[in-house]
Amino acid sequence: DADVTQTPRNRITKTGKRIMLECSQTKGHDRMYWYRQDPGLGLRLIYYSFDVKDINKGEISDGYSVSRQAQAKFSLSLESAIPNQTALYFCATALAGAYNEQFFGPGTRLTVL
Amino acid sequence: AQTVTQSQPEMSVQEAETVTLSCTYDTSESDYYLFWYKQPPSRQMILVIRQEAYKQQNATENRFSVNFQKAAKSFSLKISDSQLGDAAMYFCAYRIPSNAGGTSYGKLTFGQGTILTVHP
Repeated sequence: DADVTQTPRNRITKTGKRIMLECSQTKGHDRMYWYRQDPGLGLRLIYYSFDVKDINKGEISDGYSVSRQAQAKFSLSLESAIPNQTALYFCATALAGAYNEQFFGPGTRLTVL
Repeated sequence: AQTVTQSQPEMSVQEAETVTLSCTYDTSESDYYLFWYKQPPSRQMILVIRQEAYKQQNATENRFSVNFQKAAKSFSLKISDSQLGDAAMYFCAYRIPSNAGGTSYGKLTFGQGTILTVHP
């Protein structure tokens, strides 16, 4: 089945460490998104990409960077992790178009000590 | 800026009964979409139902239906005949069409979420 996968599913790291979260999709979608979920805040957009050469910041991009290695792969990096980046991270994909339903990956639980 | 508010942090319902989850939003746009997502303990985000703002008819998906009040900017979710498997966090979300220009880029704006407990 066409799917959106995220690795790792859970990760514990220490303050100051660099960490990469990976997202892969077999849906053939052009658009990919990274969100973070915090209790009481819902999900907020970190970065989005409409194709390999088009990457844009979302509303909370500070402290994060991304790489679109291929149409199917979109990675999120925390260059120097800090405790307030502890959250649940979701990757989502969508087809181009006016109405493009987003399909979410299973999420990565990141804990920064 | 668009905002979405879910004023009920937690709700509970007896199995087989009906429950309504509330959502309000703020926007100056006339064309947009509204969604309800379900997040069970597995963390997976599952689309439950969607509503296009230009449609006056309320969307329905099996036991799930919405009450869309455009003038009041209200979008509630009704779950009928509640089942134990309905227990989850529910998120209301909003977006405008991704070709509407500006900085819409298909971004979903989410509410804070409502935890639904279903009692047997």
